[in-house]
Amino acid sequence: EIVMTQSPATLSVSPGEGATLSCRASQSVSSSLAWYQQKPGQAPRLLIYGASIRVSSIPVRFSGSGSGTEFTLTISSLQSEDFAVYYCQQYDNWPLTFGGGTKVEIK
Amino acid sequence: QLQLQESGPGLVKPSETLSLTCTVSGGSISSNNYFWGWIRQPPGKGLEWVASIDYRGNTYYNPSLNGRVTISVDTSKNQFSLKLRSVTAADTAIYYCAVICSGGSCGIDPWGQGTLVTVSS
Repeated sequence: EIVMTQSPATLSVSPGEGATLSCRASQSVSSSLAWYQQKPGQAPRLLIYGASIRVSSIPVRFSGSGSGTEFTLTISSLQSEDFAVYYCQQYDNWPLTFGGGTKVEIK
Repeated sequence: QLQLQESGPGLVKPSETLSLTCTVSGGSISSNNYFWGWIRQPPGKGLEWVASIDYRGNTYYNPSLNGRVTISVDTSKNQFSLKLRSVTAADTAIYYCAVICSGGSCGIDPWGQGTLVTVSS
């Protein structure tokens, strides 16, 4: 099983500032990596797939990068609606696995 | 636009079988574009993939569930289902049904709203 590790667990950011979230895979997943946003009481929402392909409805301030074992989700200027928990997930191999999440909170 | 809706009992007794159904609208469950699946989330915790089924009927299961899980499709009702046997309190979670892959691109989307299943006597 591929283990996904996200850091940091919590990120405190002021509105308007940027944020960088990291995700590491225990072995290469190529570019088979997705990012999700989850707000309280809601299902996760797909933001990025293929490590860097943004879903069409997602604002351009969200961007993904990386390949192999190291990945990054960058939010260029945090808006109030961006404070949430973010998960990465690999789909290179079964079983599909998720990282433990990064909570982005208001500083 | 695909939409998914989970249904099933919200309370299951320990050692019994958890059974959930996902009804798909806006598209055919028989389409060769989609892999269907279930993901769960214990209250206050992270996400865990449970099972998937592809358009050929091939099934994929999380080995952490030790063979207790079955996923199936009912094309006549445009639904797919999950059965989890011998449940314990550790199986208490919000269960989401979702499209696991579509059109050759993977990334789970869309998701159902989720249904909370509590295992308790």
